[in-house]
Amino acid sequence: NAGVMQNPRHLVRRRGQEARLRCSPMKGHSHVYWYRQLPEEGLKFMVYLQKENIIDESGMPKERFSAEFPKEGPSILRIQQVVRGDSAAYFCASSQQGGLNTEAFFGQGTRLTVV
Amino acid sequence: GDSVTQMEGPVTLSEEAFLTINCTYTATGYPSLFWYVQYPGEGLQLLLKATKADDKGSNKGFEATYRKETTSFHLEKGSVQVSDSAVYFCALMLIGANNLFFGTGTRLTVIP
Repeated sequence: NAGVMQNPRHLVRRRGQEARLRCSPMKGHSHVYWYRQLPEEGLKFMVYLQKENIIDESGMPKERFSAEFPKEGPSILRIQQVVRGDSAAYFCASSQQGGLNTEAFFGQGTRLTVV
Repeated sequence: GDSVTQMEGPVTLSEEAFLTINCTYTATGYPSLFWYVQYPGEGLQLLLKATKADDKGSNKGFEATYRKETTSFHLEKGSVQVSDSAVYFCALMLIGANNLFFGTGTRLTVIP
């Protein structure tokens, strides 16, 4: 059973371009979480999705960022018109159920560099 | 607000040394507490957790006790190995919440 797969592992974008980060959850997992780790900081929650639904996006910046988790295919975190401050490691996690008693499994992360 | 503060790294220890990584938290309610580990080139893995005061989480020789009076959840291991070299993250989750609050991570390097 493959773990949480994120791609690409490294992504370089110029300012103003779009970045698309993909996350394939573990088999049988229908809950996906995205976190961002800025340099020298801890991981910060961005968004929580179940299949086709955004459950909690309280950590998402209000502009330029969006996330989806379609019925088929991976979850996508999309950043439009990237700026230097978007440079960070973006981690995806998945779980079988939501809530405290369900372990979340993390991917290896995508390191985004904006030049 | 809710937050986690953990010991700054990096930490370098010799094999078989005793390890402590400090973690303290601030929370509005009664959180559950976690330690995650990230080995080189891999994603974060849950190492151990504790869901209420005085609980002790343990796994792979690591332990941490949920101390409500000192709002702490320090990670300890009696004898580290080279294979324990990794980044360790302390985290909390509030009851009813959907997300984890993480500390900044502590990089541990164990030398032979």
